[in-house]
Amino acid sequence: DTEVTQTPKHLVMGMTNKKSLKCEQHMGHRAMYWYKQKAKKPPELMFVYSYEKLSINESVPSRFSPECPNSSLLNLHLHALQPEDSALYLCASSQAWAAVYEAFFGQGTRLTVV
Amino acid sequence: QKEVEQDPGPLSVPEGAIVSLNCTYSNSAFQYFMWYRQYSRKGPELLMYTYSSGNKEDGRFTAQVDKSSKYISLFIRDSQPSDSATYLCAMSVSSGANSKLTFGKGITLSVRP
Repeated sequence: DTEVTQTPKHLVMGMTNKKSLKCEQHMGHRAMYWYKQKAKKPPELMFVYSYEKLSINESVPSRFSPECPNSSLLNLHLHALQPEDSALYLCASSQAWAAVYEAFFGQGTRLTVV
Repeated sequence: QKEVEQDPGPLSVPEGAIVSLNCTYSNSAFQYFMWYRQYSRKGPELLMYTYSSGNKEDGRFTAQVDKSSKYISLFIRDSQPSDSATYLCAMSVSSGANSKLTFGKGITLSVRP
């Protein structure tokens, strides 16, 4: 299994809603990442988890709250988002943080904030 | 100067053409050089990575890295309509826990039947 699975594929939420994005991998990878990608732009790193510990937070607003319950799962909790947060949210994983050059990406969750 | 520069295109070629995609970079600490393919509304897919300078071939795809010129290329031979996608170059340093992917802006390729 060489897949990173993200759910849901699409999400529409209001600015007062609370929702969560889920990411799962069963490759035994110990580094997991959240990226945000706006249309016609490259992915931008948001968070890095290494061995289930938050290792990088790229100055992301607190309305985005990551969680790594175990080595296979990564969640992104969303609260009080703004319309400009609408984007494709990508999860990725790699064997270790140092092996980011072999990162596998999921298909993404397309988020629309209304 | 951005760390990674990539011609944003778009690029349109006829089926069967040889495609050359390029990126330049300024950070001499980059050691790993990646090419990702991203279809519309999908996540990026790693095509191949190269460590340091040299060439790497995988089927119709060849990646080249010239560290002396800070220039990397991806060649696609016998291009197919299914190759139509956005191609992103990415680079990372080899410093263990501080490794991050630095992406180019991506170039959209269209292969005409």
